[in-house]
Parts: sequence; structure tokens; C-alpha cells
Amino acid sequence: SAVISQKPSRDICQRGTSLTIQCQVDSQVTMMFWYRQQPGQSLTLIATANQGSEATYESGFVIDKFPISRPNLTFSTLTVSNMSPEDSSIYLCSVSPPGQSTGELFFGEGSRLTVL
Amino acid sequence: GQSLEQPSEVTAVEGAIVQINCTYQTSGFYGLSWYQQHDGGAPTFLSYNALDGLEETGRFSSFLSRSDSYGYLLLQELQMKDSASYFCAAPIYNQGGKLIFGQGTELSVKP
Repeated sequence: SAVISQKPSRDICQRGTSLTIQCQVDSQVTMMFWYRQQPGQSLTLIATANQGSEATYESGFVIDKFPISRPNLTFSTLTVSNMSPEDSSIYLCSVSPPGQSTGELFFGEGSRLTVL
Repeated sequence: GQSLEQPSEVTAVEGAIVQINCTYQTSGFYGLSWYQQHDGGAPTFLSYNALDGLEETGRFSSFLSRSDSYGYLLLQELQMKDSASYFCAAPIYNQGGKLIFGQGTELSVKP
């Protein structure tokens, strides 16, 4: 298993500002993902954070809005830029255990952002 | 495209059995996962079916039928603490464990 710490756990932000969320894993992992969960909704994949290269974004998400860093195998950041109330969501960091896919991801506790 | 469909909500009484269904349309399908999420918490992994059939883990079981593009999560001896959202999810083939999630089923367990 992996223990994932996210910071901040929650924040209230003003429209037009940016916020960076940090994700720290207690072991080295190859695959790290960022998900968004809007109120009462499911989890939507934003991007895969790649170590040493640019993140891979899903349809509907762009680097200018959600820049991601992955400086090493245990840490990543997601920035939500130029926020609007529509960005109010829980942002979740997740990692895949090494080896063959078992359909299992480990999730952090999430960062709950409210944009006013 | 890829999609997983689940009922939006299910209600059951304590001690009962409930089944949450999931139908999917995915390319390169190779398994179905289930996650539980309590309000305000992180999703936690429950089970994964790579092959057809039933997988049992304590009070929870999960079933997969590839020919029907269908699976379900079965919860037995329901407890109040089982009230949560349940998501089916499918790994994307050759994408390093990336998952696509269904819309989630909110389970309410009544006394």
C-alpha cells in the first residue's frame, strides 16, 4: 500500500487567484494521477503526472489551467489557475501500485477547494 | 468512448442484502473495480474482477460478466456504516493503472 498526504486539505479562494496543491507519497511510485470530484459527482481524471516530463492531460483539461509538476517519484503538485466558482471541487491525488494492474489506486484524502 | 453506468441511489435496511449494478462500454476492457467513498473521505478500493465470476471478500462480493458487459457489487448483512457512495471503475488498457469511474451509487442504509 501507499500513504498519500495532500496539502491543503481545504481552502477558500477568491475568484481569479491560483492555488497549488501538494501530494506527497511515502514510497516511490511510477504512476501518479490527479482527479477532480465536483460536488455530488464522480471522479474525473485531470491528468497523469509524469516524472521528468510534461503531464498527460485528459480531454477537456489543459496545462494553462491545471499546470502539474512531478520533480521526483514521490511528489507532485497541481495548480488550479485563475479560479472561478466552477472550480470548486475536491482534487484528489492517486497512485498506482507497481507491477501488473490490479484495478487498484490509492487516494489521498483530497483537497476541498471553495471558490468565491 | 468509455462509459460506466450505475444507478444513482439505492436504499436498503440494516441486515439486508443489496446489489449495485454497473454496465460498461469501454475499449480494451480488462477488468472492473469497485470503490467505496464516505462523505468527505477518500475513495477506498473494495475489489477488482479481471475474470468472469464472483469474487468474495467478507461481506462484500463482486461479479463480472464480460459477455454481458456487466458487473455488480453485492453487500450482505448491511450495516449503518455501509452508507456511502460506491463507484465502479475500469482500468484503461496499457495506461499504467489509470481508471475511468462510473457516476457512483449512493447507498443509504436505514435502521
